[in-house]
Amino acid sequence: NAGVTQTPKFQVLKTGQSMTLQCAQDMNHEYMSWYRQDPGMGLRLIHYSVGAGITDQGEVPNGYNVSRSTTEDFPLRLLSAAPSQTSVYFCASSPGGNTEAFFGQGTRLTVV
Amino acid sequence: AQSVTQLDSQVPVFEEAPVELRCNYSSSVSVYLFWYVQYPNQGLQLLLKYLSGSTLVKGINGFEAEFNKSQTSFHLRKPSVHISDTAEYFCAVSRRQARGGKLIFGQGTELSVKP
Repeated sequence: NAGVTQTPKFQVLKTGQSMTLQCAQDMNHEYMSWYRQDPGMGLRLIHYSVGAGITDQGEVPNGYNVSRSTTEDFPLRLLSAAPSQTSVYFCASSPGGNTEAFFGQGTRLTVV
Repeated sequence: AQSVTQLDSQVPVFEEAPVELRCNYSSSVSVYLFWYVQYPNQGLQLLLKYLSGSTLVKGINGFEAEFNKSQTSFHLRKPSVHISDTAEYFCAVSRRQARGGKLIFGQGTELSVKP
């Protein structure tokens, strides 16, 4: 079982560029979410999805878009990268209710 | 709204000593509670969780935590740490009635185990 797979693991972007962080899970989990991790701030929720076709904003959604066309995939799009988006991004999935989330290995993004 | 406070940003400890990592939360509704561990350059791994029932919860790697509703705390403990426990530890909560598996995280505690 691969679990939650994120690609790429590392990325450097120039200010203003766009890109998509990929996330896929093979556990048939209903819920998926994106967090960003910054030093001293823990993880903060960017967007989440409760099922295919349904997404909603989290705590820090500005500058990011998501869509969920399948149960397995939940990509995160940066429309116009800014240095403030330099962070480590984690995708997570959970089977429903409010049980624990399973995390990917993260994507380390640097915007210069 | 919920919030989570981890009272120590860094905890240095010698090998084989006991350790306690403190976590307090605030919430006007019932919550589930979690502790996650993050080893360097890796994702987060669940250590233990409190959903209901016994307030003393045992997790992996010899860790345990106690849910104290009156003090709104969920402190993590280990009686004897190893060098391999060096990592960052995160306390998290989620609302019982919320959809989406959304977690609210504390700021993290860096545990550094020295020989």
